[in-house]
Amino acid sequence: AQSVTQLGSHVSVSEGALVLLRCNYSSSVPPYLFWYVQYPNQGLQLLLKYTSAATLVKGINGFEAEFKKSETSFHLTKPSAHMSDAAEYFCAVNTGTGNQFYFGTGTSLTVIP
Amino acid sequence: NAGVTQTPKFQVLKTGQSMTLQCAQDMNHEYMSWYRQDPGMGLRLIHYSVGAGITDQGEVPNGYNVSRSTTEDFPLRLLSAAPSQTSVYFCASTTSGRVLPYEQYFGPGTRLTVT
Repeated sequence: AQSVTQLGSHVSVSEGALVLLRCNYSSSVPPYLFWYVQYPNQGLQLLLKYTSAATLVKGINGFEAEFKKSETSFHLTKPSAHMSDAAEYFCAVNTGTGNQFYFGTGTSLTVIP
Repeated sequence: NAGVTQTPKFQVLKTGQSMTLQCAQDMNHEYMSWYRQDPGMGLRLIHYSVGAGITDQGEVPNGYNVSRSTTEDFPLRLLSAAPSQTSVYFCASTTSGRVLPYEQYFGPGTRLTVT
C-alpha cells in the first residue's frame, strides 16, 4: 500500500527565509515521488519529481527536494522564500506499476513580508 | 495543445439536482481520473478510467457516475446533488506505457456549491 504524510498543514515563513515542507511516504515498492503546487483558484502544477536518477532533485522556481530512502522522506526546500511562493503544496507518490497517484493532505505556505 | 480542460469553472446546484462535469484531454492519454479537493483532506480519487469503455471506482465514488466512450472525454455525473458534494473537482490525465515515471496533468478545476 502507498501513502503520503505531509507534516504541518500550514507553514509560515518570512520573505527571504528558508522554506521547508515535509513529506514522508510509505510504499511497498521503490516509489516515484512528486511535488505539486497549487496557486489560489488554480489547478495543480508539477513542481518537481524524483525518478531515482539523483537523490537531489531541482524543480521550478528555485525549489528542490531530497529523496532519503532511510528516512522515507522527500522534503521540499527553497533557500529564500518569495511572496509569490504563497500557495498550497502537495506531495504525491506513484509506484510505476499502476497509474494511480496518492496525495498528501497538502501544506499551505504563507510568506510574511 | 490545450492539455486538460474542464467545464464549467463554477456551478451552484440545489439539493437533488443532477449535472455533468465535463473533462477533455488532447494528449491521447489512456488513463484519466477525477478527484475532489476538500480543505484538510487533500485530493481524493472519485473514479478513474484506464481506457475507453473501462472505468473503476476510487476512494469516494458514492453519488457519482462516470463513463468513457472516447479516449478524449471523461465526464463526471452527479446523480442527485447533496451539500456534502460541495467541493472543488479536478480532472487529471496521466501518461502510461513503458516510459516512467508516469506524469499526471490536471485541469483547472470546477468549483461546485450545493445548497
